[in-house]
Amino acid sequence: QKEVEQNSGPLSVPEGAIASLNCTYSDRVSQSFFWYRQYSGKSPELIMSIYSNGDKEDGRFTAQLNKASQYVSLLIRDSQPSDSATYLCAVPRRIIQGAQKLVFGQGTRLTINP
Amino acid sequence: EAQVTQNPRYLITVTGKKLTVTCSQNMNHEYMSWYRQDPGLGLRQIYYSMNVEVTDKGDVPEGYKVSRKEKRNFPLILESPSPNQTSLYFCASSLSSYSGANVLTFGAGSRLTVL
Repeated sequence: QKEVEQNSGPLSVPEGAIASLNCTYSDRVSQSFFWYRQYSGKSPELIMSIYSNGDKEDGRFTAQLNKASQYVSLLIRDSQPSDSATYLCAVPRRIIQGAQKLVFGQGTRLTINP
Repeated sequence: EAQVTQNPRYLITVTGKKLTVTCSQNMNHEYMSWYRQDPGLGLRQIYYSMNVEVTDKGDVPEGYKVSRKEKRNFPLILESPSPNQTSLYFCASSLSSYSGANVLTFGAGSRLTVL
């Protein structure tokens, strides 16, 4: 099993609908999870972080975490064409003495169709 | 403005010609890292540095070197570039490598082509 796994897509969603992006991870003790958005030709930017089981909402974005199932998702409500991008899931990997480094999934390419 | 600055942004070079991609951050971050991004493979870590003079290999370190002599700078060195190092490179930094402070800020990227 890959350390962080995402469907690469492309995922196509009509404007105004809910886009659902999924990510699974292999390390059961991971504590924090991140979603980055990357527009074509640009660098990744952080859009959501989640640390506890359940939902975390920020505007049109909701991150959902289920540690028992090792599953984290990102929902985008009322999808807009400007949401078209690649979404990267990132999970920390332990290195030494409690330190961590982020491991990224391969990203899901999302297209919102007007 | 808080940022991570990479140079050059675009570079075309030839096999075997040594090159350095510079990375500098102005946020007093302890942790810095280099990634390469290739289609279908996502972001893969090349090297990382937890602090000055502390560096370690990431998942794809072959063919690369790094140094961290100052906190703000983390250059990536390709001693003898080969065509399989053609890629999009990102430098990133975070306050530290510990939970709660490990949110990464990325540079704008450096697109390297090795002929």
